[in-house]
Amino acid sequence: AQSVTQPDIHITVSEGASLELRCNYSYGATPYLFWYVQSPGQGLQLLLKYFSGDTLVQGIKGFEAEFKRSQSSFNLRKPSVHWSDAAEYFCAVGGAESGGGADGLTFGKGTHLIIQP
Amino acid sequence: DAGVIQSPRHEVTEMGQEVTLRCKPISGHNSLFWYRQTMMRGLELLIYFNNNVPIDDSGMPEDRFSAKMPNASFSTLKIQPSEPRDSAVYFCASSLRGLSEAFFGQGTRLTVV
Repeated sequence: AQSVTQPDIHITVSEGASLELRCNYSYGATPYLFWYVQSPGQGLQLLLKYFSGDTLVQGIKGFEAEFKRSQSSFNLRKPSVHWSDAAEYFCAVGGAESGGGADGLTFGKGTHLIIQP
Repeated sequence: DAGVIQSPRHEVTEMGQEVTLRCKPISGHNSLFWYRQTMMRGLELLIYFNNNVPIDDSGMPEDRFSAKMPNASFSTLKIQPSEPRDSAVYFCASSLRGLSEAFFGQGTRLTVV
């Protein structure tokens, strides 16, 4: 069964500092990996995704993530955070269903990012 | 495109009543997912459809929950009868053939009193 672990429930970072959110996954085949962000009262917005190819992927809002197969990890990074980055961040894993559709994403429990002024 | 559209945004109902949540996926997407989000359990996949056919409903908590997708542009999630422990935010998401990148609606916040 597929699973995602986000070991940090809360992270507090000073504005302007760098950020790394951790994600470890378990998936039986080649994984598709995602990071989503959720602001209070909102739905989930896709930040970035990894399907194949270059293991360092760039996303929106200055975020990037690196896929490390040997460590089953897909950590999210940003060199300098802004107060507007305060939100809930979710890592997810999924794949392509054999019938050509998509199987459902499995999400981690999320990391709540707090930005200190 | 307007994205995934869910209605209502908020629903308050009394225990025992029937609740129906609605979802319009992005046009052209062939996979549709229903998720439930709670503080305790996070985001849980309830059921998903490919080409309007239910593929995996193992996440549906019990028989009180049912989902339908009568056509490519509409899906419903029904809870009958509702219970206070069903209170949560329910998200609908859709994706394109062969990929898992899911686009989420704004969610329906359900409160059962």
